[in-house]
Amino acid sequence: GAVVSQHPSRVICKSGTSVKIECRSLDFQATTMFWYRQFPKQSLMLMATSNEGSKATYEQGVEKDKFLINHASLTLSTLTVTSAHPEDSSFYICSASATTGVQFFGPGTRLTVL
Amino acid sequence: TQLLEQSPQFLSIQEGENLTVYCNSSSVFSSLQWYRQEPGEGPVLLVTVVTGGEVKKLKRLTFQFGDARKDSSLHITAAQPGDTGLYLCAGVWSGNTGKLIFGQGTTLQVKP
Repeated sequence: GAVVSQHPSRVICKSGTSVKIECRSLDFQATTMFWYRQFPKQSLMLMATSNEGSKATYEQGVEKDKFLINHASLTLSTLTVTSAHPEDSSFYICSASATTGVQFFGPGTRLTVL
Repeated sequence: TQLLEQSPQFLSIQEGENLTVYCNSSSVFSSLQWYRQEPGEGPVLLVTVVTGGEVKKLKRLTFQFGDARKDSSLHITAAQPGDTGLYLCAGVWSGNTGKLIFGQGTTLQVKP
């Protein structure tokens, strides 16, 4: 099956700093990538949808200036959490889909903001 | 707004018991997926159902899509400790550019 990777898998940062998370589709070209966040014992909540070469579409309540998404190529999307605060601590998961529409999920990134 | 109601949210059973997880919506979905997620990992796709009334089996897991494509169920027969995890249903609503709408999830614990 298709493989999606995320880097880093874990990151700890100080409050006020910015953190970048990468999502890569390793063996296919992803026309669309999705970013989710997940709190402990809860389900996935979609944050934004990004298509290669265009601006991301954010879900209601997600601050686009806080969560910067760049989808520069068909195999890479990045999520930057700007001026992170403890309440941004969460598990961030990306998924990638090709023309079939089936989403393949990455392994997730655990962000802890001190 | 499309919503998926998943129940139960928590389930703790003994090894060998059967269980069913339900996913319901007022919206018609073009397809519905079931995922299993281990702590600290991303969701892993178990099955996709597309046709109303469809039934798919994966070893001891049986998935069903409702005739009206508004509900689905996951039945596990003779649960084993290795089945422990978070089970998620997610629907694709026709017309929403492929976005997945997730249910609340069911945390399953199977005790030996």
